[in-house]
Amino acid sequence: QVQLQQSGPGLVKPSQTLSLTCAISGDSVSNNRGGWNWIRQSPSRGLEWLGRTYYRSKWYNDYASSVKSRITISPDTSKNQFSLQLNSVTPEDTAVYYCARHSDFDEHWFDPWGQGTLVTVSA
Amino acid sequence: DIQMTQSPSSLSASVGDTVTITCRASQYINDYLNWYQQKPGKAPKLLIYAASSLERGVPSRFSGSGPGTDFTLTISNLQPDDFATYFCQQSYSIPFTFGPGTKVDIK
Repeated sequence: QVQLQQSGPGLVKPSQTLSLTCAISGDSVSNNRGGWNWIRQSPSRGLEWLGRTYYRSKWYNDYASSVKSRITISPDTSKNQFSLQLNSVTPEDTAVYYCARHSDFDEHWFDPWGQGTLVTVSA
Repeated sequence: DIQMTQSPSSLSASVGDTVTITCRASQYINDYLNWYQQKPGKAPKLLIYAASSLERGVPSRFSGSGPGTDFTLTISNLQPDDFATYFCQQSYSIPFTFGPGTKVDIK
């Protein structure tokens, strides 16, 4: 059974970097079929897919255009986890952030999800 | 980007009712449509993938229809555990996008 466990701070100051980690059990971040995603949810923006990292003989990323200039999603194969970095945050980045897996090449539905981390951007 | 809309935004129903939620994509997405259930303070839970395939462990009272641009989620014989918010999500193209949600509460 695949499980995702998120960690990271719940409070970030404006203009700083939001950093979250998602630890994987029951699967490998380097598996050649699935992908590892970050999704956020706020009352104003609803559920918003932010991006993903995946391995197909080498590492690839896809990012939403709304955050493309500020986001990095990267794998850590030694710890079997992946991380989110979002730079230059503003209060509009306040949201619950989730990590999630999609399990196969053409199966872009999300299961499982991490438990969620409420990140507040405030001075 | 593919825009997803849902209707209604909320509905009230009783235990035993049958409810239908509609999701519409801004363009043709074949059967690349997934449904999730979310309860307060919890992550979304996958219910249906590829428009009509029931995720393992999800009760058979949940069903979905497609493909195309208009999709429905039907919950038959509504149970107390089904009162939640439901979201659709298109997996046809990046960026993957979600509908705004439909809240099902108790009448």
